[in-house]
Amino acid sequence: NAGVTQTPKFRVLKTGQSMTLLCAQDMNHEYMYWYRQDPGMGLRLIHYSVGEGTTAKGEVPDGYNVSRLKKQNFLLGLESAAPSQTSVYFCASSGGPDSYEQYFGPGTRLTVT
Amino acid sequence: LAKTTQPISMDSYEGQEVNITCSHNNIATNDYITWYQQFPSQGPRFIIQGYKTKVTNEVASLFIPADRKSSTLSLPRVSLSDTAVYYCLVGDPLGSARQLTFGSGTQLTVLP
Repeated sequence: NAGVTQTPKFRVLKTGQSMTLLCAQDMNHEYMYWYRQDPGMGLRLIHYSVGEGTTAKGEVPDGYNVSRLKKQNFLLGLESAAPSQTSVYFCASSGGPDSYEQYFGPGTRLTVT
Repeated sequence: LAKTTQPISMDSYEGQEVNITCSHNNIATNDYITWYQQFPSQGPRFIIQGYKTKVTNEVASLFIPADRKSSTLSLPRVSLSDTAVYYCLVGDPLGSARQLTFGSGTQLTVLP
């Protein structure tokens, strides 16, 4: 039982390049989330999904797109990377009907030059 | 989602009890209080959650007064490995999106 995994762990992009971050969970959770964390700050919600085929905007959605084609996967895309998107990206999932607990992945460190 | 206020940092010594207080004056009736712990280069990890009075598990206790406008996370007999950032979050666990809002957290440093 791997929990929440993220691919890749590290990535360096040039301004204007695109990339996709993959999040996978094996806990059959309905809810999945993408956060970003800048140095010395808390996590900010980018996008989230309440079930397969659904997505919604969080606090800081601009410059990102997401897809949830399969229940176990949640993809975060950057179409045209900017230096302001340099950050650590965390994926999380939660699932129980009365559970508030989110399980987080190990993070992806992204640098945009 | 209710806003929370907690100290930026705290220092303690090994073996001491640490209490971190969080203020959440505009907490709603359906909101629960949840605490997460984050080590450097890792995702946050759930510690404890409560609605009122006192909740205790194997790692911490959570004290919530009757007015619920604040809460206190209590870590008994801390060790060096408890050095981490602790986040207090308030929200409705049965809300439609079950979103979490993280503040800046409290950096706890445990000294030898």
